[in-house]
Amino acid sequence: DAKTTQPPSMDCAEGRAANLPCNHSTISGNEYVYWYRQIHSQGPQYIIHGLKNNETNEMASLIITEDRKSSTLILPHATLRDTAVYYCIVQPNKLVFGAGTILRVKS
Amino acid sequence: ETGVTQTPRHLVMGMTNKKSLKCEQHLGHNAMYWYKQSAKKPLELMFVYNFKEQTENNSVPSRFSPECPNSSHLFLHLHTLQPEDSALYLCASSQEPHPGSYGAFFGQGTRLTVV
Repeated sequence: DAKTTQPPSMDCAEGRAANLPCNHSTISGNEYVYWYRQIHSQGPQYIIHGLKNNETNEMASLIITEDRKSSTLILPHATLRDTAVYYCIVQPNKLVFGAGTILRVKS
Repeated sequence: ETGVTQTPRHLVMGMTNKKSLKCEQHLGHNAMYWYKQSAKKPLELMFVYNFKEQTENNSVPSRFSPECPNSSHLFLHLHTLQPEDSALYLCASSQEPHPGSYGAFFGQGTRLTVV
């Protein structure tokens, strides 16, 4: 199963774009990149996923490098309510979560 | 509301008690999961069920006993727990092998305190 590496924490100013990186250098051809977030003491929430093309939905954008060894989750206009732990997961991977990135959005 | 319901939301139990956590989903998913999340720690995968069959047991102590009677329901039976088992227990469901455009769905969790 491919593993992921994320920075432990990041800060972002309210209203600015938050760019969260993820390294998944051992990803194989049929594995998707999924992003989830967990707001304090709640269950994780799905954000977005992709295989090799860039993806966008109402919550975020996902940029995957051409070699698929890394990706970036972009929250275009971060708000205080986006403060959470963000997890990058390679699927299928038994839905195993790493430590994620703690994103703190500050006013 | 995620479509995954966990009960109870809070539970306090003594070390000699027996209790059960319940999870149900009516999303048509074929996989269900139990996770443990201790304070300020990442989620730890405990058990995975696929089409009612256990496919993953992540070296969980036998005082935790899962049961999956059908694809919609998952239980976690608890007995003779220790104070260090106090944590948030989360249930999730997904469509495997590819969860698709909505990913996995998580319940709100059961906050367990062992006294």
